[in-house]
Amino acid sequence: SQQGEEDPQALSIQEGENATMNCSYKTSINNLQWYRQNSGRGLVHLILIRSNEREKHSGRLRVTLDTSKKSSSLLITASRAADTASYFCATELFRYALNFGKGTSLLVTP
Amino acid sequence: NAGVTQTPKFQVLKTGQSMTLQCAQDMNHNSMYWYRQDPGMGLRLIYYSASEGTTDKGEVPNGYNVSRLNKREFSLRLESAAPSQTSVYFCASSEGADTQYFGPGTRLTVL
Repeated sequence: SQQGEEDPQALSIQEGENATMNCSYKTSINNLQWYRQNSGRGLVHLILIRSNEREKHSGRLRVTLDTSKKSSSLLITASRAADTASYFCATELFRYALNFGKGTSLLVTP
Repeated sequence: NAGVTQTPKFQVLKTGQSMTLQCAQDMNHNSMYWYRQDPGMGLRLIYYSASEGTTDKGEVPNGYNVSRLNKREFSLRLESAAPSQTSVYFCASSEGADTQYFGPGTRLTVL
């Protein structure tokens, strides 16, 4: 069963705008990760946030984690066409294996 | 460093045929994983290997077998392919619970 669920399923914005996607999960976690998948490619790790962290930044990415609400958000600032991809949140399944949500499909138009 | 490599990139099988998907990593990671991704879905874990010499079932292991040949290589075998196994298969590796590194995927079609 999928632990994380991303929202929205699809998001379309223009270059320069910010993109926010959310992830909700069901059980307690040690950490939560976000991955990006360009069409037809493998997943690429973006950022990991631990359960004792509330916010983390990496370049144009900002991730927040609210363990009381069992939710996380990924903000991409000043989006570019190259950010067009699917974004997945992932939590631990067992023994380091990950449980992925269905993803948010982001389209950034010039 | 090549990272995680997978072969083949594409494969078409007939129902009942068998094949082995190969995966290798050059990052000296202990843990390796096989996932499948169906259209509009996230990845689902088929099998994983926490360390050399061990393998365990994931969420959807039926119809598959795996071999952790050595620390670098982790293969996935379909003994008798079924149309329901049409999917994109991804291999990944990690050192512990942190970042997983993914291969480019194998697109498998079973007719």
